Amino acid sequence: DVVMTQTPVSMSVSLGGQVSISCRSSQSLVHNNGNTYLSWYIQKPSQSPQLLIYKVSNRFSGISDRFSGSGSGTDFTLKISRVEPDDLGVYYCGQGTQYPLTFGSGTKLEIK
Amino acid sequence: EVQLVESGGGLVQPGRSMKLSCAASGFTFSNYGMAWVRQAPTKGLEWVATISYDGSSTYYRDSVKGRFTISRDNAKSTLYLQMNSLRSEDTATYYCTRAGTGDYWGQGVMVTVSS
Repeated sequence: DVVMTQTPVSMSVSLGGQVSISCRSSQSLVHNNGNTYLSWYIQKPSQSPQLLIYKVSNRFSGISDRFSGSGSGTDFTLKISRVEPDDLGVYYCGQGTQYPLTFGSGTKLEIK
Repeated sequence: EVQLVESGGGLVQPGRSMKLSCAASGFTFSNYGMAWVRQAPTKGLEWVATISYDGSSTYYRDSVKGRFTISRDNAKSTLYLQMNSLRSEDTATYYCTRAGTGDYWGQGVMVTVSS
């Protein structure tokens, strides 16, 4: 199984600040078809997960350009700029390249 | 507007069965693979099963193989998860999600396995 390792486990940021979350996979996430199926999600308190980024760097419909994804192979990063109060929650990376699909253990973002 | 609405959860004894449903609307259900993802209390996300757009292919995590069955009725735009021989470790909120990128998720349904 592909193990997804997310760091940090939690972080606190001031409003207007910037954060980076790292996600590393135990195997390359490049699919045989050439695509890399790495997604980022946010789970706000008491809500379902919501897709932010898919295929490493593509923002989902309606997602602010304050969110950006980057990386390749086994090393990926989510950056959030100009942090707003609504950004608090737990962020997960997830891979869809290989079954079983797996997720990182989450990064809890708190606002100072 | 895409909507996924789960139902069928509740309290069930170990070893018993339960069937979850997910009613989809706002998109052409028969064009998309679908999946179930669960989240144990205070834990992270765990993929359970995926079914292809036409139901011809299914995939399961090892811990539920032989006990859970994912299925779909495209005429009713509904996804199902039949869960047999339930265990305490199956206790979780179960989400239905549109497969691939997991771009849409339902509100989730709680399943508690306890005597």
